[in-house]
Amino acid sequence: GENVEQHPSTLSVQEGDSAVIKCTYSDSASNYFPWYKQELGKGPQLIIDIRSNVGEKKDQRIAVTLNKTAKHFSLHITETQPEDSAVYFCAADGSARQLTFGSGTQLTVLP
Amino acid sequence: DAGVIQSPRHEVTEMGQEVTLRCKPISGHNSLFWYRQTMMRGLELLIYFNNNVPIDDSGMPEDRFSAKMPNASFSTLKIQPSEPRDSAVYFCASTQIDRGLVRAFFGQGTRLTVV
Repeated sequence: GENVEQHPSTLSVQEGDSAVIKCTYSDSASNYFPWYKQELGKGPQLIIDIRSNVGEKKDQRIAVTLNKTAKHFSLHITETQPEDSAVYFCAADGSARQLTFGSGTQLTVLP
Repeated sequence: DAGVIQSPRHEVTEMGQEVTLRCKPISGHNSLFWYRQTMMRGLELLIYFNNNVPIDDSGMPEDRFSAKMPNASFSTLKIQPSEPRDSAVYFCASTQIDRGLVRAFFGQGTRLTVV
């Protein structure tokens, strides 16, 4: 089955700086890579996703990149704000078309 | 739509008691997933249903865990008997296939504490 690894497990940045979270996956059949944000006391919420036929996607301060050859994808948050502090999860759909999640990254944006 | 609804939000029970967690998926979604989240193991898939039929329960930790989906709008996850190591946040998610992509929507979770 699919295996997704996520790094780092914790990340602290100063407000206004950029944050980058990286994931690798094992199943070459994966073609969908969503990112979820989990705020304290809430369930994970989809914030952005990318398909395998696209190398990069942007939505305001958030961008995702995908390198299918290397089987890795990344989340980039620019101009970070305190409300960006949360746990972020990457995921890949695998050949079974069910999501396998990474272990999560606790992002803290310091004011 | 109100999203995926889970109940209760919090449950505290004594070891050995039966616990039932409930989930109402988003109307029209045909797949439902149960996850367990702990600090040690992160987000683990326990079981998922497709059109109310259990497809993969390989993540269910033991026979003490069971899940049902009697209809398209309701699912339960039962733990009997419960143990302290079952303490975790349990999430339910329903998915929508959008142009071949699996978009998952999570509930708010049930925080279970077994003492």
